[in-house]
Amino acid sequence: GIQVEQSPPDLILQEGANSTLRCNFSDSVNNLQWFHQNPWGQLINLFYIPSGTKQNGRLSATTVATERYSLLYISSSQTTDSGVYFCAVSRNYGGATNKLIFGTGTLLAVQP
Amino acid sequence: GAVVSQHPSWVICKSGTSVKIECRSLDFQATTMFWYRQFPKQSLMLMATSNEGSKATYEQGVEKDKFLINHASLTLSTLTVTSAHPEDSSFYICSAGGVARVITEAFFGQGTRLTVV
Repeated sequence: GIQVEQSPPDLILQEGANSTLRCNFSDSVNNLQWFHQNPWGQLINLFYIPSGTKQNGRLSATTVATERYSLLYISSSQTTDSGVYFCAVSRNYGGATNKLIFGTGTLLAVQP
Repeated sequence: GAVVSQHPSWVICKSGTSVKIECRSLDFQATTMFWYRQFPKQSLMLMATSNEGSKATYEQGVEKDKFLINHASLTLSTLTVTSAHPEDSSFYICSAGGVARVITEAFFGQGTRLTVV
């Protein structure tokens, strides 16, 4: 099956700093999503980005499908950005959609 | 985005009893739903694919007789943990797909934290 590795596993930032989270996957995919898991466990959809670049406020993401990686950029980090960030991928061939394989996660702590 | 509601948010049960968790798609019809499990400080692992009107498909290593899945309608899937034991304590979370592959972005319920004592 597809392997999904994220780096770094842990990251500590001072408030206001910028960061880049990376997601590498071992095979071609046609769906990639980034999530933020809050302290209560809920998964917040950040980006649906099988390819290309998207931006939403202080967050942006880029997926280079041909090179099998995706990047999540966080600018001007805030304490509320703390939590675990997951990327997840799937490969759908006309069958079940959204059968996601999750990456290993990045635990982000933003200090005031 | 699409709204998926999961209930209950947390449950504590005695060892040997069964617990039912519901996953509902509130504003779209979902022919397929997915159930995941997450142990503390670990990633999410897919347990099974819930198919409306047919049997669920379980991932390797997941006991189908222990984790009963029913997808009786296009808006509701249930996961029943039967004869629960302390090692079943975990965070269970569902996601929903769409009808005819219309929705390609996965949306998740709030999750259920199960503690078996």
